[in-house]
Amino acid sequence: GDSVTQMEGPVTLSEEAFLTINCTYTATGYPSLFWYVQYPGEGLQLLLKATKADDKGSNKGFEATYRKETTSFHLEKGSVQVSDSAVYFCALRKTGGTSYGKLTFGQGTILTVHP
Amino acid sequence: EAGVTQFPSHSVIEKGQTVTLRCDPISGHDNLYWYRRVMGKEIKFLLHFVKESKQDESGMPNNRFLAERTGGTYSTLKVQPAELEDSGVYFCASSQARINEKLFFGSGTQLSVL
Repeated sequence: GDSVTQMEGPVTLSEEAFLTINCTYTATGYPSLFWYVQYPGEGLQLLLKATKADDKGSNKGFEATYRKETTSFHLEKGSVQVSDSAVYFCALRKTGGTSYGKLTFGQGTILTVHP
Repeated sequence: EAGVTQFPSHSVIEKGQTVTLRCDPISGHDNLYWYRRVMGKEIKFLLHFVKESKQDESGMPNNRFLAERTGGTYSTLKVQPAELEDSGVYFCASSQARINEKLFFGSGTQLSVL
C-alpha cells in the first residue's frame, strides 16, 4: 500500500538556521504531495503542495520539490524563526478515487527553534 | 468564519467504557473526514462523509467504532467499548464539494483509555 516516511525527529535548530525535513513516499501512479503543519494547540494547516513531478510548492519561505525519480518531497527553509516551531507532516493523495481528502500521512517531525 | 470545532478536547476513560467524540465542520462544507494519530505515529484516515452519506469507511479499525452524520452537519464518532489501543488523537477535517479543495482540520480530541 501507499506509505510516507519522514525523517525522525525531533529537530532542534537555532534561529536563522537552514532547515531540511526529509520525506519519501511509496505509491503507485502519480500522487499529489503535501506538507501540513500543526502549531501548538491548533489543527493541521496546509503549508504547501505539489501535484506533478518537478513541481515546486512554496509558502511562508518554505519550499518542497516533487521528485519522481527519487520519490521524495523534502521540506526546506533557508532561515527558520522561533515561530516555525511546530510539528510537520508530509502526506500524499492518490490519483483517482472520490475521497479527495483521503490522505496518507507520515509520522510527523517535531521542529523546535531556539532564539 | 468559525473553523472546524471538536469536542471534547481531552477525554480520559476506562477500558470498556463508551466515548463519543463530536466534530462541527465549517458551515457549508459537505465533506467531513475523521483521522486518528495513535502513539505519536502517522495520522491515519478513518472515514469520509459526503453530507450524511459515508463515502469511504475503509479506515475504520473495527465494529467498535461507529460514525454518524445525521442531517449532514456535525458528526459523531462513538467508540464502544473502548480498548487501550484506541488511545490517541482523533482529528476531524472538512472541505467543500470541489475537487482538490484543501482540508481544514480541527485541533483534535486527545483520547486516553486507561
